[in-house]
Amino acid sequence: EDKVVQSPLSLVVHEGDTVTLNCSYEVTNFRSLLWYKQEKKAPTFLFMLTSSGIEKKSGRLSSILDKKELSSILNITATQTGDSAIYLCAVDRGTGGFKTIFGAGTRLFVKA
Amino acid sequence: EAQVTQNPRYLITVTGKKLTVTCSQNMNHEYMSWYRQDPGLGLRQIYYSMNVEVTDKGDVPEGYKVSRKEKRNFPLILESPSPNQTSLYFCASSLKTGTPLHFGNGTRLTVT
Repeated sequence: EDKVVQSPLSLVVHEGDTVTLNCSYEVTNFRSLLWYKQEKKAPTFLFMLTSSGIEKKSGRLSSILDKKELSSILNITATQTGDSAIYLCAVDRGTGGFKTIFGAGTRLFVKA
Repeated sequence: EAQVTQNPRYLITVTGKKLTVTCSQNMNHEYMSWYRQDPGLGLRQIYYSMNVEVTDKGDVPEGYKVSRKEKRNFPLILESPSPNQTSLYFCASSLKTGTPLHFGNGTRLTVT
């Protein structure tokens, strides 16, 4: 059975800390791995990682895909209170259609 | 403004009373999908559509129906809702398969 597992499930840090969120997957016909940030409403896209693009960076956020270990990490440096959110990892699978499987998410709370 | 619009935002109904949640996107996206989000389970895919008149089951399709008669619209139909369908529902679209999802703001459904 395909699955995506995120850890930790929740995390509390202080402003300025660096955090690393983990995502591991076991899926058939992997196509890509995506990270989303969910604040109060709809998830918003952060990064997409594929075999041809295994490392992405935007400001204080960066992400790496390890295809050998079937995992990805999302790093956030110099955290701010505005980084408080649920971070979702999703994997697109090409199994005769196009299904997306999400992890349960990591809830990050950044204290001022 | 490019967006995915879901209606209604909140819905309380009773067991067995048919309902439809509408979803519309104005970005000419080919791919549309429905998810439900439950605590501890993350987002689970209900149905998806790769183009007009092309729909397929996701991981949790039981009790739901969809249709894609026009490119912009992808309604979710619950013919006979049950309490276990109480959840937060998201519609999402993307330009094509393998590209990041744009989410609507969600519909919180309560079935009593």
